[in-house]
Amino acid sequence: AQSVTQPDIHITVSEGASLELRCNYSYGATPYLFWYVQSPGQGLQLLLKYFSGDTLVQGIKGFEAEFKRSQSSFNLRKPSVHWSDAAEYFCAVVGGAGNMLTFGGGTRLMVKP
Amino acid sequence: GAGVSQTPSNKVTEKGKYVELRCDPISGHTALYWYRQSLGQGPEFLIYFQGTGAADDSGLPNDRFFAVRPEGSVSTLKIQRTERGDSAVYLCASSFGSRGDEQYFGPGTRLTVT
Repeated sequence: AQSVTQPDIHITVSEGASLELRCNYSYGATPYLFWYVQSPGQGLQLLLKYFSGDTLVQGIKGFEAEFKRSQSSFNLRKPSVHWSDAAEYFCAVVGGAGNMLTFGGGTRLMVKP
Repeated sequence: GAGVSQTPSNKVTEKGKYVELRCDPISGHTALYWYRQSLGQGPEFLIYFQGTGAADDSGLPNDRFFAVRPEGSVSTLKIQRTERGDSAVYLCASSFGSRGDEQYFGPGTRLTVT
């Protein structure tokens, strides 16, 4: 069965600083990988996804992620964080026959002014 | 256009009671998913519908949980004999039917069992 680990429960960065959120997955074949963001009182919103091809994928709100098969990782990055990026971020994987998402535990991002 | 809607937004019930949670998916989406998110954790898969049938219910924790989607659109998640451990946010998502299609999530129903 597939699994996802997000090693950092909380991260605090200063506004304007760069950001990297870590995600490691476990799955036998090439997975479908996703990053979602959850803001207080709002539903989960898809930031970006990786299926195949170019291992660097661009998403919404200036986010990007890089798939590294050798490290079983799919880390999320942003070059300059804005205060509005403060939220909970979830990495997820689709594995197996269905389309069900397996989520990591999430990373809560706080942004200092 | 309209997104996924869930009702009620909040539900408080007493231990042992029966509850129903409703999900209205995006029109045209054939797949519908239920997830449960406990405090401080990521969502966990419960059940997945393709059309009217449950394609995978392996995430339902026990036989107190049941879900239906009789006309292939609206779905109801039913919980019998609720327990305090059932307290969580129940999320619904819908998508087109192919593997890897983006799932669009509703705002969730916060269930509190007292």
